[in-house]
Amino acid sequence: KQEVTQIPAALSVPEGENLVLNCSFTDSAIYNLQWFRQDPGKGLTSLLLIQSSQREQTSGRLNASLDKSSGRSTLYIAASQPGDSATYLCAVRDTGNQFYFGTGTSLTVIP
Amino acid sequence: NAGVTQTPKFRILKIGQSMTLQCTQDMNHNYMYWYRQDPGMGLKLIYYSVGAGITDKGEVPNGYNVSRSTTEDFPLRLELAAPSQTSVYFCASRRGPQETQYFGPGTRLLVL
Repeated sequence: KQEVTQIPAALSVPEGENLVLNCSFTDSAIYNLQWFRQDPGKGLTSLLLIQSSQREQTSGRLNASLDKSSGRSTLYIAASQPGDSATYLCAVRDTGNQFYFGTGTSLTVIP
Repeated sequence: NAGVTQTPKFRILKIGQSMTLQCTQDMNHNYMYWYRQDPGMGLKLIYYSVGAGITDKGEVPNGYNVSRSTTEDFPLRLELAAPSQTSVYFCASRRGPQETQYFGPGTRLLVL
């Protein structure tokens, strides 16, 4: 059974700092990996989707990498802003249609 | 284009009651999903559907049922509600196998 872990559980950084969030998974037989943002009391918003054949995806200040063989993904946020404060979740899709989510990293960017 | 909508936003149920959580998407997506999110935890997949008339179990299906009679709607039925079903329920959809999921705003359910 796929297990997805996100470390750290919480992170607090000053505004302007670059930061890295980590996601690890136990079964490397995945179809894709997705990073989401969740604001308190709200649904999830997709940030980046990486197919299993890709190594990274970029969108604005966000860059996500995938190393399938080692079961790791990172989300890099450049020049963090207070508006980036949220919980960040990673999810892996197995080779069927099942998705497995990590427990998330709660990010606080201090002005 | 409303995306994925869920009703109700919040509901309190007594133990043993039943209810249906509604989910509708207007994006003509084939794939639809139901998740639950317990406090401080990630999302767990309850049921999913790859198209009208086709449903399958996810990781935590016990105590729930689904149907998919149309492309747009994917209701989740709770029979005999239990306190362990207190959670936030999210519905999601996606168009195809390589595409992103779009989530609804969630339904907060409290079983007392």
